[in-house]
Amino acid sequence: EVQLVESGGGLVQPGGSLRLSCAASGISFGNFWMSWVRQAPGKGLEWVANIKQDGSEKYYVDSVKGRFTISRDNAKNLLYLQMNGLRAEDTAVYYCATGQTTMVKWGQGTLVTVSS
Amino acid sequence: QSVLTQPPSASGTPGQRVNISCSGSRSNIGRNTANWYQQLPGTAPKLLIHNNNQRPSGVPDRFSGSKSGTSASLAISGLQSEDEADYYCAAWDDSLDGSVIFGGGTKLTVL
Repeated sequence: EVQLVESGGGLVQPGGSLRLSCAASGISFGNFWMSWVRQAPGKGLEWVANIKQDGSEKYYVDSVKGRFTISRDNAKNLLYLQMNGLRAEDTAVYYCATGQTTMVKWGQGTLVTVSS
Repeated sequence: QSVLTQPPSASGTPGQRVNISCSGSRSNIGRNTANWYQQLPGTAPKLLIHNNNQRPSGVPDRFSGSKSGTSASLAISGLQSEDEADYYCAAWDDSLDGSVIFGGGTKLTVL
């Protein structure tokens, strides 16, 4: 069974940093594009970033470019999202998902709250 | 403001058929396939329809998708109470570097 488990969320002050992790099991992790999608409280889904199987291509939504970095460790089946310069509008549940254009499997999400 | 436009709400009674629309443009639905996600209250999204009209294993055939031009549509027949959820359409957008875009979501209420 495919499992994606996010961790690393929490409360952080504006301007602070946080690193999210997503542990994958039940899949050949290195064979999949991976994505991060977020959902602000009471709002809809927003794609954040994705990364190719070998990490050679990475794409970001404009609002996080220059602040967030997506990366992966295929040997450890881990996906990361390094978030710097956090703003109140980054407050959301962050989901990792398999796939680039189609998010097939999703994790349960981890909540990031940016507040002073 | 989402590039893909969905009605914010929809409703139906048990057994009815409900349609949810998703309006895009040439750069997204017009040139790429549409996907639909279901998000039950308090849970993570789940892929419901991919490649416009393909159901992943385990999704009941009550759910169907279609695409015409720059719009996509999700149909739910034989509506059940457990279908009450938020539904999101999504597509790749050629005009945005590497971007997937989501519709604003439609909250389906089963009356």
